[in-house]
Amino acid sequence: NAGVTQTPKFQVLKTGQSMTLQCAQDMNHNSMYWYRQDPGMGLRLIYYSASEGTTDKGEVPNGYNVSRLNKREFSLRLESAAPSQTSVYFCASSTNRGRGSPLHFGNGTRLTVT
Amino acid sequence: SQQGEEDPQALSIQEGENATMNCSYKTSINNLQWYRQNSGRGLVHLILIRSNEREKHSGRLRVTLDTSKKSSSLLITASRAADTASYFCATLSNFGNEKLTFGTGTRLTIIP
Repeated sequence: NAGVTQTPKFQVLKTGQSMTLQCAQDMNHNSMYWYRQDPGMGLRLIYYSASEGTTDKGEVPNGYNVSRLNKREFSLRLESAAPSQTSVYFCASSTNRGRGSPLHFGNGTRLTVT
Repeated sequence: SQQGEEDPQALSIQEGENATMNCSYKTSINNLQWYRQNSGRGLVHLILIRSNEREKHSGRLRVTLDTSKKSSSLLITASRAADTASYFCATLSNFGNEKLTFGTGTRLTIIP
């Protein structure tokens, strides 16, 4: 049982380049999330998808787009990377059967933008 | 904006001792959750406490919630080297969205 799988694990981009971070879960969860983690800032929500076919902005959505491809997959795209987007990105999922259901996290993508 | 703030930011104790971490938050909550993050890994859910609960236990973990003070504590008893990690609280507000808001974490180091 893999849980939440993120690819790639590491990525280095030059300013202005684009890339897509992939996330897939095999727990049949309804909700999926993208967070970024920066030193001293905790985790901040970028985008989330409460269910297949819906997406909503979180706290820090600027510079990002998302696609909920199907129930399993939720991707995060950086169209034109900036150094401020250097961070560790985490995908998470939850059943959302009850309010505030616990989140299951992937192991992160470490992104450096030079 | 951060809803939860953990205290202390870092804590080092000897193996076998108890570790206590605190979380304060600002608005009325539906529930509060604690997560652990080992170095280089994702967060792992530890325990959830609802706003109408005052204390919960899970193995060596004990969580308390004081809604009048808007604070929670996580106690790890008989600490082990494997407990070395960062610990985060996350809150679900009673207002507006359904999304958890995470604090900045406490870095716990267990000295063998």
